[in-house]
Amino acid sequence: AQSVAQPEDQVNVAEGNPLTVKCTYSVSGNPYLFWYVQYPNRGLQFLLKYITGDNLVKGSYGFEAEFNKSQTSFHLKKPSALVSDSALYFCAVRDGPYQKVTFGTGTKLQVIP
Amino acid sequence: SAVISQKPSRDICQRGTSLTIQCQVDSQVTMMFWYRQQPGQSLTLIATANQGSEATYESGFVIDKFPISRPNLTFSTLTVSNMSPEDSSIYLCSVEGDRGGDTQYFGPGTRLTVL
Repeated sequence: AQSVAQPEDQVNVAEGNPLTVKCTYSVSGNPYLFWYVQYPNRGLQFLLKYITGDNLVKGSYGFEAEFNKSQTSFHLKKPSALVSDSALYFCAVRDGPYQKVTFGTGTKLQVIP
Repeated sequence: SAVISQKPSRDICQRGTSLTIQCQVDSQVTMMFWYRQQPGQSLTLIATANQGSEATYESGFVIDKFPISRPNLTFSTLTVSNMSPEDSSIYLCSVEGDRGGDTQYFGPGTRLTVL
């Protein structure tokens, strides 16, 4: 069975500082990994994904994530946080195309002005 | 990516009633999904809806409680039947993207409160 862990319920970072939101996963085959963001009273917006290729993937709004196979991690990063980045972030994994997606429990990012 | 809309965006309902949520996509898609997000929780898949076949329900969800229709490749409905306060959640429609089934995209969600 596949699983995703987001060890931090909340991450606080000062505006302008780099941010990291952590995610580790477990899957039997080659992972398809995703980050989504959810703003208050909104649906999930796709940020980025890793399927194959370069371990560093770039996504929307200046976010990037690094795939680390040996550590089974896929941490979300941004060099300089904005107050508008404050939202709920979900990591997700699937074991191939058209397979069921498993979501993490979410990490609330609070960027402090 | 597909543009997905949901109606209603939110509703407040009485215990014992039913609510039908609509999901409309701006392009034809094979697979559509319905998720539930309970307050402060992650997403849980309710069912997968493919056009022309019965929906496939996940463990813990049954057709009598959550009947789903999928009349064509751009539209689906989810009904929450005989509601109780425990059904208060955000209900999200999702579709597979247009790149070989590697990414799901989500609608804006329907926020349901049951009194």
